[in-house]
Amino acid sequence: AQSVAQPEDQVNVAEGNPLTVKCTYSVSGNPYLFWYVQYPNRGLQFLLKYITGDNLVKGSYGFEAEFNKSQTSFHLKKPSALVSDSALYFCAVRDGGKSTFGDGTTLTVKP
Amino acid sequence: NAGVTQTPKFRILKIGQSMTLQCTQDMNHNYMYWYRQDPGMGLKLIYYSVGAGITDKGEVPNGYNVSRSTTEDFPLRLELAAPSQTSVYFCASSPFNTGELFFGEGSRLTVL
Repeated sequence: AQSVAQPEDQVNVAEGNPLTVKCTYSVSGNPYLFWYVQYPNRGLQFLLKYITGDNLVKGSYGFEAEFNKSQTSFHLKKPSALVSDSALYFCAVRDGGKSTFGDGTTLTVKP
Repeated sequence: NAGVTQTPKFRILKIGQSMTLQCTQDMNHNYMYWYRQDPGMGLKLIYYSVGAGITDKGEVPNGYNVSRSTTEDFPLRLELAAPSQTSVYFCASSPFNTGELFFGEGSRLTVL
């Protein structure tokens, strides 16, 4: 069975600093990996995905993620955080048409 | 461009009552999903469908039923509501089995 772990419930960074939100996964076949963002009282929005190809994936709002097969990780990154990036972030793995989500990481960016 | 539309947005039920959460999408996606989101627990898959007439159970199907008579609609039925079903429910769709999910805005259900 597939699974996703987000080891940090909360990540705090200062505005302008780089940010990393961690994700590790377990899947039997090829990993199809996704990041989503959720703002308060809203549905999840797609940020980026890794299907195949380059290990560094670029997505919306300046976010990127690095796929590392040997470490089974897919960490979300941004070079310079904005206060408006504060939200709940979910990593997900897709297999057999179903998506399994991590428990989420709350990112807080302080001015 | 409506995307995925869920109704109602809020509902309070008494224990033992039944209701249907409606979900419709206008993107002609084959794959549709129902998730529930509990605080600090991430999203749990209730049911999903890979096309009209086909549905399958997810991780937490007990107490729920679904149908998929058209590509557009994927209603979720709650029978004999229980306090444990208090949650936020999200419907989502996807164009193919490796694609990203498109989410509705959610339906907040409280069972008292």
